[in-house]
Amino acid sequence: KQEVTQIPAALSVPEGENLVLNCSFTDSAIYNLQWFRQDPGKGLTSLLLIQSSQREQTSGRLNASLDKSSGRSTLYIAASQPGDSATYLCAVSEGSGSARQLTFGSGTQLTVLP
Amino acid sequence: NAGVTQTPKFQVLKTGQSMTLQCAQDMNHEYMSWYRQDPGMGLRLIHYSVGAGITDQGEVPNGYNVSRSTTEDFPLRLLSAAPSQTSVYFCASRIIYQKPNTGELFFGEGSRLTVL
Repeated sequence: KQEVTQIPAALSVPEGENLVLNCSFTDSAIYNLQWFRQDPGKGLTSLLLIQSSQREQTSGRLNASLDKSSGRSTLYIAASQPGDSATYLCAVSEGSGSARQLTFGSGTQLTVLP
Repeated sequence: NAGVTQTPKFQVLKTGQSMTLQCAQDMNHEYMSWYRQDPGMGLRLIHYSVGAGITDQGEVPNGYNVSRSTTEDFPLRLLSAAPSQTSVYFCASRIIYQKPNTGELFFGEGSRLTVL
């Protein structure tokens, strides 16, 4: 059974720092990997999606990488801002066709201090 | 284009009561699903559907029923609520057969349920 782990569970950094969030998964036979952001009391917003054939995706100050062979993904946030404070979750998609499902990590709660 | 809409946002039930959480999407997505989110346990799949008239169980289906009579709607029913069902429930949808298909999953804002 696929297991997704995110370490650390919580992270606090001063504004302006570059930071890396980690995600590891146990079964490398994935279809894609998604990073989500969740604000308190809100739903999940998709940040980046990396297909299994890709190595990285970028959106603005965010860069996500994928290393299937080692079962790892990282989310790099450049020049962090207080508005980046949220919980970040990664999820891997596996299975085939319509039955493809996501397995989520428990998330990293990020606090960016002004 | 509202995306995925869930109602109600908050609900308090007594043990044994029944209720339905509503989910609707206007993106013509074939796939819809329900997750529950509990502290320290991440999101766990309850039930999912790949089209009208087709539903299947996820990781934690016990105590929940679903139906999919239309492409747009996917209600989640609690037949006899228990305190263990206190959680935040999320509905999510995605494309299956349409192109382009990245596999991206879109979430609603969540429904916070407390069972006393």
